[in-house]
Formats: sequence, C-alpha cells, structure tokens
Amino acid sequence: DQQVKQNSPSLSVQEGRISILNCDYTNSMFDYFLWYKKYPAEGPTFLISISSIKDKNEDGRFTVFLNKSAKHLSLHIVPSQPGDSAVYFCAPSSGSARQLTFGSGTQLTVLP
Amino acid sequence: ETGVTQSPTHLIKTRGQQVTLRCSSQSGHNTVSWYQQALGQGPQFIFQYYREEENGRGNFPPRFSGLQFPNYSSELNVNALELDDSALYLCASSLGGALTNEKLFFGSGTQLSVL
Repeated sequence: DQQVKQNSPSLSVQEGRISILNCDYTNSMFDYFLWYKKYPAEGPTFLISISSIKDKNEDGRFTVFLNKSAKHLSLHIVPSQPGDSAVYFCAPSSGSARQLTFGSGTQLTVLP
Repeated sequence: ETGVTQSPTHLIKTRGQQVTLRCSSQSGHNTVSWYQQALGQGPQFIFQYYREEENGRGNFPPRFSGLQFPNYSSELNVNALELDDSALYLCASSLGGALTNEKLFFGSGTQLSVL
C-alpha cells in the first residue's frame, strides 16, 4: 500500500522554463512535508519543506504548494537550470520518530 | 562542520551471511535514522536511534538490528542475508529530543549486493 505516490517517473523541461513535480498521499497523519533531491552516487539532500498548517512555502526558485483537502502537494522550480537535473523525492513526516515516507521519485532533466 | 559519513561504500555478500554497516553522524546531531533504498524506489525507513535507544521502527524483520554509540555514531546489522536485501542503505542524522527536526542529513550510502 503506497502511502506516497509520485506518478511521473520522469520529467523533461527546457532551461528557463517552469518545472512542476507532483506528489499525492493517503495518510492523514502526515503533518510535515519535505522535498529531497538526489544526484547519482550521493545521498538525498534537503530542498524545501512545508508544514500542514500552511498552503505555500517559497525559497528562492523553489515553491511548494500543499492542498490538504486533495492530499496533494507540488514543487515548482522556476526558472529551471541544468544543475537542477536530479531525482526529486516527496517525503512526508509522521510518528514520534518523525520518520519520512518517501515517494518513488521523479527524475527531472533540464535541457540546455 | 563534518557531514554524515558511511562505510563501506560498496559490499558484496552471499545469502545467509551477516553484515555490519557503519555511520558517523553530522557534528552536533544526536539522532540517527537508517533507510533502505531498493532499485527504482524511494528510501524506506528501517529504524531510528536517539541517545543509544531505538526510537522508532519501520516494517522490517528483527534480523535488521542497530546500535548507537555514545558519540552518536551508529551501526546497522543484518543477519541471515537474503537476495532481496540487495539495496542502497542510507544513514541520516538529525536533531532529536526537545529540538526534534524533520530535516535529515543523509550520507552517500552503502551499496550492498547479496549473491
């Protein structure tokens, strides 16, 4: 039973355009949502997060939107740069250990 | 500031063997979490250690066990290895207790292959 779904395994966008990565979840107990990106041969690195009490959080070129009623969040990257090419994971948090439940990831490729 | 380091980077074992993976936390972090990432999937939570005690566990059998040491470094032990244990094992450190923070800092992982 997948609690976190990233239905697009891959996404290609042109440099300078907007990248939109989507994530759906089923567990109502998730109360904090994080995005991680992962380059080959490296561990995931934290990108941006949002609390369940907010619907938007912005950090530079990155914005995360949360729609609690739809159990959906999205990550917008604008403008996209070739260095953004990586696998992006949606990872909600829950439980006393604040463990992360990762989606399967979306491979973003930004074409120059 | 020292990041999270894991050893070894790669390991090959045969079915039925036992393996120990090691992790050094980022400086100042008191909590260590272990995740398993199978090919093509996202990382899955194995367990977390805070102040040398297990603080949470995912859906993994008892043959997956761990330790945290007074310096907050950690080990992941897997007994009776199975072919499906082949995966990238990621260690992540964070702040726990009164300063609990969901933001995890990951190491580069140990790639385990079970033949």
